[in-house]
Amino acid sequence: KNEVEQSPQNLTAQEGEFITINCSYSVGISALHWLQQHPGGGIVSLFMLSSGKKKHGRLIATINIQEKHSSLHITASHPRDSAVYICAVKGRSNFGNEKLTFGTGTRLTIIP
Amino acid sequence: GAVVSQHPSWVICKSGTSVKIECRSLDFQATTMFWYRQFPKQSLMLMATSNEGSKATYEQGVEKDKFLINHASLTLSTLTVTSAHPEDSSFYICSATPWRTSGGAINTGELFFGEGSRLTVL
Repeated sequence: KNEVEQSPQNLTAQEGEFITINCSYSVGISALHWLQQHPGGGIVSLFMLSSGKKKHGRLIATINIQEKHSSLHITASHPRDSAVYICAVKGRSNFGNEKLTFGTGTRLTIIP
Repeated sequence: GAVVSQHPSWVICKSGTSVKIECRSLDFQATTMFWYRQFPKQSLMLMATSNEGSKATYEQGVEKDKFLINHASLTLSTLTVTSAHPEDSSFYICSATPWRTSGGAINTGELFFGEGSRLTVL
């Protein structure tokens, strides 16, 4: 069993639909990142969470530390949201530069 | 916002040659940078942690003599793929977390990735 599991692996939806991508992890963490990777390969960090909920535009990320679970939501999805979304967790450490453990990613395709 | 620049973005080389990839933080200092490799339709795999002024820490199964890492300054880490072979063809990407930004913030924990380098070895 992977330390970080994402679901679904692939998701195709119509433009405008509400999207939810889930991430479950089995280790103690200091932070969780949601990343977006476009077809060209570039990666952008969308959110860094250690508790609660964050919102940026049409994107919302939540985390439940007790349940070791995080969700990424996209409202009013658009074809430009098509990308691979990756959940990554950072372990607990005193040093601040801990390495990340990555989920396998969710490939999202939004159809016009 | 903070930017990490990676160069070259793509490179094609002959088998047996060496290829150097640079990862540069443009407006922040990073004592640690991370190098990842990604094969098609797979997730990122951490290869090594690059530490400024000291030896890199390699993940299990990654040959340190083949993938040379140099982190000579707080803003630059390089990965050299030595004696490249076709099986080294992959997408290589670096990341860095600001230790200190140009504005003075310390260890923000935010994560920034380079644009990635696609290596093809013929």
